[in-house]
Amino acid sequence: QVQLVQSGAEVKQPGASVKVSCKASGYTFSNYYMHWVRQAPGQGLEWMGWINPNSGGTNYAQKFQGKVTMTRDTSINTAYMELNSLNSDDTAVYYCARGGIYYDILTAFHYWGQGTLVTVSS
Amino acid sequence: VLTQSPGTLSLSPGERATLSCRGGQSVSSRHLAWYQQKPGQAPRLLIYATSTRATGIPDRFNGSGSAPDFTLTISRLEPEDFAVYYCQQYGRSWTFGQGTKVEIK
Repeated sequence: QVQLVQSGAEVKQPGASVKVSCKASGYTFSNYYMHWVRQAPGQGLEWMGWINPNSGGTNYAQKFQGKVTMTRDTSINTAYMELNSLNSDDTAVYYCARGGIYYDILTAFHYWGQGTLVTVSS
Repeated sequence: VLTQSPGTLSLSPGERATLSCRGGQSVSSRHLAWYQQKPGQAPRLLIYATSTRATGIPDRFNGSGSAPDFTLTISRLEPEDFAVYYCQQYGRSWTFGQGTKVEIK
């Protein structure tokens, strides 16, 4: 069965960076886009961008350009999302979510990770 | 931009819930989904392509509509259905509505 297991909660100081991992199992990792979604406390869902695990190609929402870097390591079926220059507005739960297969990018998110809470505090 | 209404829906178990999601004319019915989220949990896909239930979703959940108006209907609310519901369009990038909370009256 498809599983996405994310790394644990993080507490970071303002100005620092954080890197969240998402380990995939139960399917061919390289064949499916991986998306990242953010949810601030008490707020809604915000799409951040995707990575193509096969090519490493990325597409970031305009709001996050220059702020986020998505990478992957196909040898261990893991996607990463790194946020830089953290501030209090980045305090949120970050989810990875499996997107469409390589030839059909426009799909809903059938599988989600459990979420990783990132807290930015001095 | 997707606009969901109402913001909160107060209903009793057994009642029918009707949730609305309005987008622009550019929202394709092929690319409209609904998610359920409970506190402390990741969202769960309920409906995609406007009306197709995801794997394992009970048939009391039904999606309908066409641009710009889409609807999620829960025919008879079960205790486990009280949650927040989001619509999402995935035809032009990916965006979510702001959510509708279905609470126990």
